[in-house]
Amino acid sequence: DGGITQSPKYLFRKEGQNVTLSCEQNLNHDAMYWYRQDPGQGLRLIYYSQIVNDFQKGDIAEGYSVSREKKESFPLTVTSAQKNPTAFYLCASRNPDYQPQHFGDGTRLSIL
Amino acid sequence: ILNVEQSPQSLHVQEGDSTNFTCSFPSSNFYALHWYRWETAKSPEALFVMTLNGDEKKKGRISATLNTKEGYSYLYIKGSQPEDSATYLCAFKRGGTASKLTFGTGTRLQVTL
Repeated sequence: DGGITQSPKYLFRKEGQNVTLSCEQNLNHDAMYWYRQDPGQGLRLIYYSQIVNDFQKGDIAEGYSVSREKKESFPLTVTSAQKNPTAFYLCASRNPDYQPQHFGDGTRLSIL
Repeated sequence: ILNVEQSPQSLHVQEGDSTNFTCSFPSSNFYALHWYRWETAKSPEALFVMTLNGDEKKKGRISATLNTKEGYSYLYIKGSQPEDSATYLCAFKRGGTASKLTFGTGTRLQVTL
């Protein structure tokens, strides 16, 4: 079955540590996205990529980095510069124009 | 940052009740409006993608309408069932913004027996 796989499901970060969240899709979608959800808030866009080797900052990109070396993969690195990383992170993909987004099951990141 | 608002924030209805929620978005430079359902412990699932003023979409007991001139969309659930309990998200895409969506904060629906 086609879908989006995020791993790990739970992740803990120590102070000063970078951590990487994985997102893989086998839907052959061109565009991929990373969102962050905090309690009481909607999904906020961190980064998105419309095509391989290209990505753009979303609304809250500071303290995060991404790469898009393969169509299937869009990993998100939460760097030590992100001072409040505790949140639920969702990855999504879609083909452009009027297609809906497909989502992974998410990664919950906490601080040790 | 675009302002996409959903109301009410939460809603508690009994089985069999019909209900509706609102999504408000900027009325200028409209491209598309998405609705998603997000059940607890699952990933968000697409319900509708609406593109034209006056659009009406239906999926089973759930339907949605769109008014792009005044910047709102309604989601209706007829005869709510416990399995309809979820958070309903809308997302707005403005023209010329590549493939970015701006999400509202969602309406959390709880349906009890």
